[in-house]
Amino acid sequence: SQQGEEDPQALSIQEGENATMNCSYKTSINNLQWYRQNSGRGLVHLILIRSNEREKHSGRLRVTLDTSKKSSSLLITASRAADTASYFCATAAFSNSGGYQKVTFGTGTKLQVIP
Amino acid sequence: NAGVTQTPKFRVLKTGQSMTLLCAQDMNHEYMYWYRQDPGMGLRLIHYSVGEGTTAKGEVPDGYNVSRLKKQNFLLGLESAAPSQTSVYFCASKDTLSSYEQYFGPGTRLTVT
Repeated sequence: SQQGEEDPQALSIQEGENATMNCSYKTSINNLQWYRQNSGRGLVHLILIRSNEREKHSGRLRVTLDTSKKSSSLLITASRAADTASYFCATAAFSNSGGYQKVTFGTGTKLQVIP
Repeated sequence: NAGVTQTPKFRVLKTGQSMTLLCAQDMNHEYMYWYRQDPGMGLRLIHYSVGEGTTAKGEVPDGYNVSRLKKQNFLLGLESAAPSQTSVYFCASKDTLSSYEQYFGPGTRLTVT
């Protein structure tokens, strides 16, 4: 299985509700990032949390990181139809040879926000 | 400031044909990446570059070659396309080793028949 696996694979909620998606990973990391991908577009960086941080906020986004459980969650509060997209976690760790930060993307959660 | 651009947006190839995908960035970033995205697989790294004139293999490099002759351009080549290379290809760039955010292009949808 992959380094980053999101759960659930798909999520459908009503506008105004909160959306929570989770990411689990297997190896030690330096940081974890969340990206959004709108249909037919490239990924856009949302937020980064470092391995020594437990929680981070950015607008309506809240990210938590539990390194003991090797998991992270992304919470989108008061969702809007425009939040409809796929969300990917990406874990970053320095490679064994050093000098290169290996980034591994998860399989994504497809979020649909119904107006 | 266009960010990261990719050419072409769509392409259909026959098995055995060759093609080159072009990625260009105008942010003076050192690092550039080529990914492929397949349903249920997330993004997988094909090749990457840590600076002009350098390239390195990623997770799934077989069947692809790359070149970074100019800092702003990163080319991905398929010498003999196979149906297994049907995918959406994304290019991304990043400023330096210590920076984290990758900037993605809009993608190239490639179909090999």
